[in-house]
Amino acid sequence: SAVISQKPSRDICQRGTSLTIQCQVDSQVTMMFWYRQQPGQSLTLIATANQGSEATYESGFVIDKFPISRPNLTFSTLTVSNMSPEDSSIYLCSVDAPPGRGSGNTIYFGEGSWLTVV
Amino acid sequence: AQKVTQAQTEISVVEKEDVTLDCVYETRDTTYYLFWYKQPPSGELVFLIRRNSFDEQNEISGRYSWNFQKSTSSFNFTITASQVVDSAVYFCALNSGSARQLTFGSGTQLTVLP
Repeated sequence: SAVISQKPSRDICQRGTSLTIQCQVDSQVTMMFWYRQQPGQSLTLIATANQGSEATYESGFVIDKFPISRPNLTFSTLTVSNMSPEDSSIYLCSVDAPPGRGSGNTIYFGEGSWLTVV
Repeated sequence: AQKVTQAQTEISVVEKEDVTLDCVYETRDTTYYLFWYKQPPSGELVFLIRRNSFDEQNEISGRYSWNFQKSTSSFNFTITASQVVDSAVYFCALNSGSARQLTFGSGTQLTVLP
């Protein structure tokens, strides 16, 4: 499986501020995904981050609120901008299994970043 | 449209009991993949299994087994002789067509009591 590291693992943020979450993978991957999991809820896809092109956002998520960078094939960032208490969630980075590192179409997740907005 | 339904919100069993977690999916694609993930209280999502739509063979891995039935669009997960460490939220997910992202069910909170 791929090794996916996220930073920060947890943070408490002030209302109105922005926070950038980093996702580092130990192998080159084509596609990276960012999911949000609100308290007690399931996971919802925010956007797909492809290297060399703009991220593709799902309905209900916009670039101004969740800007994403994908500078290379092993790294991506998600920024949560102008945070409000409703943004308190776990944010998870995920990737396709890299070639030779597990079954194709298998999707692995990082440990998640727990954000609490006060 | 894709949809995954996990009708069981919470299940509580006593250690050593067997427990089955249900998953029903909807998709119009003929090629798709089904997954189960475990989310312990620490929050990370642990990959358990992937099954593609052309492989209906059931799978067993230790105390875990999976029953995939296309006729009923179900992909159920059974834990045999449950242990306290099995306590977690379990998610069923679907990936179909050309999309690589996952559609998740709402999750089932499993509590195994000592």
